[in-house]
Amino acid sequence: EAGVAQSPRYKIIEKRQSVAFWCNPISGHATLYWYQQILGQGPKLLIQFQNNGVVDDSQLPKDRFSAERLKGVDSTLKIQPAKLEDSAVYLCASSLHFQGSDFLYEQYFGPGTRLTVT
Amino acid sequence: SQQGEEDPQALSIQEGENATMNCSYKTSINNLQWYRQNSGRGLVHLILIRSNEREKHSGRLRVTLDTSKKSSSLLITASRAADTASYFCAKYFNKFYFGSGTKLNVKP
Repeated sequence: EAGVAQSPRYKIIEKRQSVAFWCNPISGHATLYWYQQILGQGPKLLIQFQNNGVVDDSQLPKDRFSAERLKGVDSTLKIQPAKLEDSAVYLCASSLHFQGSDFLYEQYFGPGTRLTVT
Repeated sequence: SQQGEEDPQALSIQEGENATMNCSYKTSINNLQWYRQNSGRGLVHLILIRSNEREKHSGRLRVTLDTSKKSSSLLITASRAADTASYFCAKYFNKFYFGSGTKLNVKP
């Protein structure tokens, strides 16, 4: 089966510019996640979708970050305006199912988008 | 931090030796998962252990979970150079929390 697709793979922008990342999850996966991974750290969950609804976005900096998952499939993550500290790898992951607190299923990660803000 | 941490931060061993990594957490969890990350294959799921399980095996991997101590360990037996990677535990309670990982270097 095809994996999680992300694009672009690399992006270099100047601070205060905007950027958007795209993710196509594995077919049939209801749950989609966006993570931020700063060099030397573990991934930090930004937002979690169940189909096209938001399950958790408590760690998403909403003054500059936004995300949507139209039709419960593809998703985009946008940063506007970017800051130097946004330099990181942005990872998208999907999983088959999520149900309340009885989460069972493993996450499949895409290759990530490496963002450099200068 | 609610995340807890993995330790050690870095581990260097010879091929054929066993590697043990530990993961601690601070609140109750529903399940805990271990992931591996290397430059070639990105983040890959290794094993999931539920809160009512104490031990799980998958090939050369053995994971234990001690909910009374709020800790888990990942044992890789007979390590190979290809096991060189960063290993993360992901704790799930309300949302996923990844630690900062253990960097494993297996020398041929």
